[in-house]
Amino acid sequence: SQQGEEDPQALSIQEGENATMNCSYKTSINNLQWYRQNSGRGLVHLILIRSNEREKHSGRLRVTLDTSKKSSSLLITASRAADTASYFCATDAVGMNRDDKIIFGKGTRLHILP
Amino acid sequence: ETGVTQTPRHLVMGMTNKKSLKCEQHLGHNAMYWYKQSAKKPLELMFVYSLEERVENNSVPSRFSPECPNSSHLFLHLHTLQPEDSALYLCASSQDPWLAGAVTGELFFGEGSRLTVL
Repeated sequence: SQQGEEDPQALSIQEGENATMNCSYKTSINNLQWYRQNSGRGLVHLILIRSNEREKHSGRLRVTLDTSKKSSSLLITASRAADTASYFCATDAVGMNRDDKIIFGKGTRLHILP
Repeated sequence: ETGVTQTPRHLVMGMTNKKSLKCEQHLGHNAMYWYKQSAKKPLELMFVYSLEERVENNSVPSRFSPECPNSSHLFLHLHTLQPEDSALYLCASSQDPWLAGAVTGELFFGEGSRLTVL
């Protein structure tokens, strides 16, 4: 069954604005990761946040994690055209067998308008 | 450049063909993965190899056959595929979380092989 689910499915914003994407999951996790995928390309790791962390920053990226609500958010500040991509959260679930260990959501398609 | 190289980038095959996808990683990782990405579906894990041993995945049809001759190379052999198998096939590598305390770290993905089955 699907673990992580991103919201919204698609998001269009003006260049320079901030973009916020959310991820909800169902079971306890060890960590949560965010990945980016440009159209037709592979996924690129952005940031990993551990279950005992609440917030993490990397450049223009800010990730929060609320384990009580089983949710995470990815904020991209001062968006640029190059940020246009799909963004996925991936959860490392506690106690799962190997095949279910890391589960990806369906992703949020972000489009930055010029 | 992520250190994971997939070939071919694009493949068109008929349902009776036999073809293979290749993945090579230059990162010194001990685990390699095949994922399938179809439109409007979550990324699906197909196979995991750790130290060249396969983790069984019973949900993948036998027309997909993986091979891992060493820790740097991974193949996906394709035989009598169906049109619904058309997808982007992604290879990834990592340090094996199950050898490192069962906590998954960063996955490094290749650019993918876009497969079209006619």
